[in-house]
Amino acid sequence: NAGVTQTPKFRVLKTGQSMTLLCAQDMNHEYMYWYRQDPGMGLRLIHYSVGEGTTAKGEVPDGYNVSRLKKQNFLLGLESAAPSQTSVYFCASRLAGIYNEQFFGPGTRLTVL
Amino acid sequence: QKEVEQDPGPLSVPEGAIVSLNCTYSNSAFQYFMWYRQYSRKGPELLMYTYSSGNKEDGRFTAQVDKSSKYISLFIRDSQPSDSATYLCAMNRLTGGGNKLTFGTGTQLKVEL
Repeated sequence: NAGVTQTPKFRVLKTGQSMTLLCAQDMNHEYMYWYRQDPGMGLRLIHYSVGEGTTAKGEVPDGYNVSRLKKQNFLLGLESAAPSQTSVYFCASRLAGIYNEQFFGPGTRLTVL
Repeated sequence: QKEVEQDPGPLSVPEGAIVSLNCTYSNSAFQYFMWYRQYSRKGPELLMYTYSSGNKEDGRFTAQVDKSSKYISLFIRDSQPSDSATYLCAMNRLTGGGNKLTFGTGTQLKVEL
């Protein structure tokens, strides 16, 4: 099992450009999450999904959109990137149920100039 | 005020020392408590979890929860250089949907030879 994978690993964008980050999991997990991690701020939830075709807003959703067309994939989109979106982005997934572990991907380092 | 507070460190200790990492929280709705370890430029990985007050031991690691004081701790005995990482506490409400986690900002630990 590859677990949770993220594509790309690194990306540099110019302000106003768009991009999509891809998260894939092969563990048949129902729930998937997108976080951003910034120094001194910890992990903050952007959007999440509790199943194929569903999405919901997290703590910091502005400027991002997501889609979960297939159970194994969760896409995070930036329509018009801003320097404030420079961050490390992590995807996670877990089984449904209260006491199940969230498994994290390796992260995507995004710089917006 | 953040719902979860964690001293960011950095914390530097000699090999073999006992390390104490702590988090406080303000929301009584948190019922499930976790510690994640994150090595540099990697995704977080679950180290320990507990959902009751008291101690839980796993090898050199002990997780302690005091719900009455809203305080959780992670103790590392006989610390090793390989324990050098950032340690994140995380908490889960049983309500609100999505089994979302709230993370502390992380404590950076360095264990020196």
